[in-house]
Amino acid sequence: GIQVEQSPPDLILQEGANSTLRCNFSDSVNNLQWFHQNPWGQLINLFYIPSGTKQNGRLSATTVATERYSLLYISSSQTTDSGVYFCAVVMDSSYKLIFGSGTRLLVRP
Amino acid sequence: DAGVIQSPRHEVTEMGQEVTLRCKPISGHNSLFWYRQTMMRGLELLIYFNNNVPIDDSGMPEDRFSAKMPNASFSTLKIQPSEPRDSAVYFCASSQQVSGNTIYFGEGSWLTVV
Repeated sequence: GIQVEQSPPDLILQEGANSTLRCNFSDSVNNLQWFHQNPWGQLINLFYIPSGTKQNGRLSATTVATERYSLLYISSSQTTDSGVYFCAVVMDSSYKLIFGSGTRLLVRP
Repeated sequence: DAGVIQSPRHEVTEMGQEVTLRCKPISGHNSLFWYRQTMMRGLELLIYFNNNVPIDDSGMPEDRFSAKMPNASFSTLKIQPSEPRDSAVYFCASSQQVSGNTIYFGEGSWLTVV
């Protein structure tokens, strides 16, 4: 089946720092989403981005479908950005949203 | 928009008891998913419904697990009898169509079986 690999697995930042999270996937996809799971366990949609670039405030994401990777950028990080960031994909001609193992982010004040 | 609504948010039950988790998808969405999250296995798809019909239940662990979707606005996931290894967070999610649309998750049901 499709493999979804995220890096780094863990990341510690000082408040105000910038970071880039990466998601590699092994097959062509028709759906790619980034989620933030906050410390209370809620899975919050950040981006639906099967290709191209999107920005939402301090967050932006880029997916290069032909090269099978996506990047999530966090600028001027805040303590509320802490949690786990998941990349999830749906393969072409499928319906299963397959999750990566996540990047655990801790932003220190 | 109320989002995907799940209940109960937390449940603690004794081994052998029946557990029923409930989900109300976002109005107008025709795809519904049940996921389970554990430390060991991460987020796993248990079952997928499209237009209230179960399309793929290959992720359901065993016969103790069953899921129903009697109408477009309600689904249940039942575990009978429950075991300690079923302890996990169970998420319900919905979308208009899987391909080309965002999938939205509920807040999850935290299940502990003692």
